[in-house]
Amino acid sequence: QVQLVESGGGVVQPGGSLRLSCAASGFTFSSYGMHWVRQAPGKGLEWVAFIRYDGSNKYYADSVKGRFTISRDNSKNTLYLQMNSLRAEDTAVYYCAKDLKLRWPPEAFDIWGQGTMVTVSS
Amino acid sequence: DIVMTQTPLSLSVTPGQPASISCKSSQSLLHSDGKTYLYWYLQKPGQSPQLLIYEVSNRFSGVPDRFSGSGSGTDFTLKISRVEAEDVGVYYCMQSIQLWRFGQGTKVEIK
Repeated sequence: QVQLVESGGGVVQPGGSLRLSCAASGFTFSSYGMHWVRQAPGKGLEWVAFIRYDGSNKYYADSVKGRFTISRDNSKNTLYLQMNSLRAEDTAVYYCAKDLKLRWPPEAFDIWGQGTMVTVSS
Repeated sequence: DIVMTQTPLSLSVTPGQPASISCKSSQSLLHSDGKTYLYWYLQKPGQSPQLLIYEVSNRFSGVPDRFSGSGSGTDFTLKISRVEAEDVGVYYCMQSIQLWRFGQGTKVEIK
């Protein structure tokens, strides 16, 4: 079945870096855009970043632009999120999510992973 | 930026009774391609969000037919015809005509 499994979360000091991974299985990973969505403790959902199925287009939320980088390795069926210059307000559960639509244009999220917790604290 | 506003923010429903959640966007979600980019998600306690409705009124695979979506332009509604205990959680509307943005969420509990 379709599955997304995130990893790489943990505790990091303000200003530090972390790289999240999302391993995909059960679908043709290279044919779908992918997203990262986060949820701060007790708060709502916030879209973070999107990458086109072939990696040629990337979009970011203003809150992370210039600090986070989304990437993918279609040969490994894996999505990444490189997070630099981390702030306390980046503390959240980070979910990877598959786009609903084949290839392009992106639309919405149909399959979500279980999430990985990132805590930014000194 | 498009702002999504949900009402109410919380809802207590008797099992078997209907429930309705409103979602209003600050700009029209109708695209020039004719589609309206409005979605509904449910996040059950301790779980990841799950897609319920896409493009205003289309139920995603496996979603019970007691869930229905309606609306156009800037005003949208999610209706549950007969609430069941498994429907508890937080419901979010989301737009994707301009990147992706969620409403604040509506917490549904059982009386």
